[in-house]
Amino acid sequence: QSVLTQPPSASGAPGQRVTISCSGTSSNIEINAVNWYQQVPGTAPKLLIYKNYQRPSGVPDRFSGSKSGTSASLAISGLQSEDEADYYCAAWDDSLNGQVVFGGGTKLTVL
Amino acid sequence: QITLKESGPTLVKPTQTLTLTCTFSGFSFRTTAVGVGWIRQSPGKALEWLALIYWDDDKRYSPSLKSRLTITKDTSKNQVVLIMTNMDPVETGTYYCVHIKEVFSAFDIWGQGTMVTVSS
Repeated sequence: QSVLTQPPSASGAPGQRVTISCSGTSSNIEINAVNWYQQVPGTAPKLLIYKNYQRPSGVPDRFSGSKSGTSASLAISGLQSEDEADYYCAAWDDSLNGQVVFGGGTKLTVL
Repeated sequence: QITLKESGPTLVKPTQTLTLTCTFSGFSFRTTAVGVGWIRQSPGKALEWLALIYWDDDKRYSPSLKSRLTITKDTSKNQVVLIMTNMDPVETGTYYCVHIKEVFSAFDIWGQGTMVTVSS
């Protein structure tokens, strides 16, 4: 069971906007930055969003992140077929001498 | 350009010790704040963080696995080694090496991963 909670699945039609939630606690999301990773099936994960809403170079601005309290969200607008992937949220957790915790992942299907 | 590549056995027997090596280029442990970590993923499962080592030799471990893990670095060789004892079949999966450019930041570069099967 993952420390951060994500919905197992999400879906949307091409061009639509979808959001993926990530719920944590006062020892992780509330006080530390949230990062999001995208994993296309059969490949290594890739950093998608860091420090809650920052995009690494090369990530389209269709991807956006936000955080409020103990929850965070990833939004994808103008959905494209290549966005079909697994998405993971992660954060540092200040309990137990510091550790990185991940969500269980959300499988995004583009209909 | 930063790259990381994992290497190690593809098959280990239950109770054996797994030793994985991450060989990287494009950065050095002589740079303040950088770190290298390990993350694994069992088939069809979520990502699980294992360990991390920083430029100053500060080491962090997953609390649930701490007793079985050892992470070390060789600055001159640009390598990080992860040792995991007493392997179990449920730990079959892909093991990734990752780069972190500053303390408590994101894993910005990932290796391709190495598949490890634990079976007798």
